Amino acid sequence: QQQVKQSPQSLIVQKGGISIINCAYENTAFDYFPWYQQFPGKGPALLIAIRPDVSEKKEGRFTISFNKSAKQFSLHIMDSQPGDSATYFCAASRGGRRALTFGSGTRLQVQP
Amino acid sequence: DAGVTQSPTHLIKTRGQQVTLRCSPKSGHDTVSWYQQALGQGPQFIFQYYEEEERQRGNFPDRFSGHQFPNYSSELNVNALLLGDSALYLCASSLRDRGVHEQFFGPGTRLTVL
Repeated sequence: QQQVKQSPQSLIVQKGGISIINCAYENTAFDYFPWYQQFPGKGPALLIAIRPDVSEKKEGRFTISFNKSAKQFSLHIMDSQPGDSATYFCAASRGGRRALTFGSGTRLQVQP
Repeated sequence: DAGVTQSPTHLIKTRGQQVTLRCSPKSGHDTVSWYQQALGQGPQFIFQYYEEEERQRGNFPDRFSGHQFPNYSSELNVNALLLGDSALYLCASSLRDRGVHEQFFGPGTRLTVL
């Protein structure tokens, strides 16, 4: 019940396109859902996060959509840029200060 | 404002040895969590320290132990190293406040076990 399943494993998008990464969780006790961006050789950087009391959160070009009944959430990157090329991880926890359960990651490549 | 710092950056050990990794949390943070990230995988939670005590632990053997100091910095110790312990070890800091949820990660320590 602790799993977070992430798809796709890899994604290639043209510059200016929309990148969409999906995650599904099982544990209904999860109440905090962050997305992290990780570049090679670096630690994960918090990108955006959502609580289950809202269905969507937008910050700049990044949007999280949340479907509580389906136990799914997704990251949308609008106007994707080559600098967005990185590995993206979804995660979930019971309150952010508790242990984060991570998805397996999506390697995004934005082609110029 | 310094972020999360970790040392050393890289480390090479042989099987059976012991290793200590260090972490200084982001200024103002009082909680430190440790994660193991194998190559090509997502980070896996090892344990979390607050008020110098282990508060939560993931599915890792007792060979993995830790400590938190009064200044909130932390150490991760791994005994009897195995080849499978080779990974990026990440430290994350946060503030133990019910209204604050974000965890911020350091750059990690790359451990190679030969």
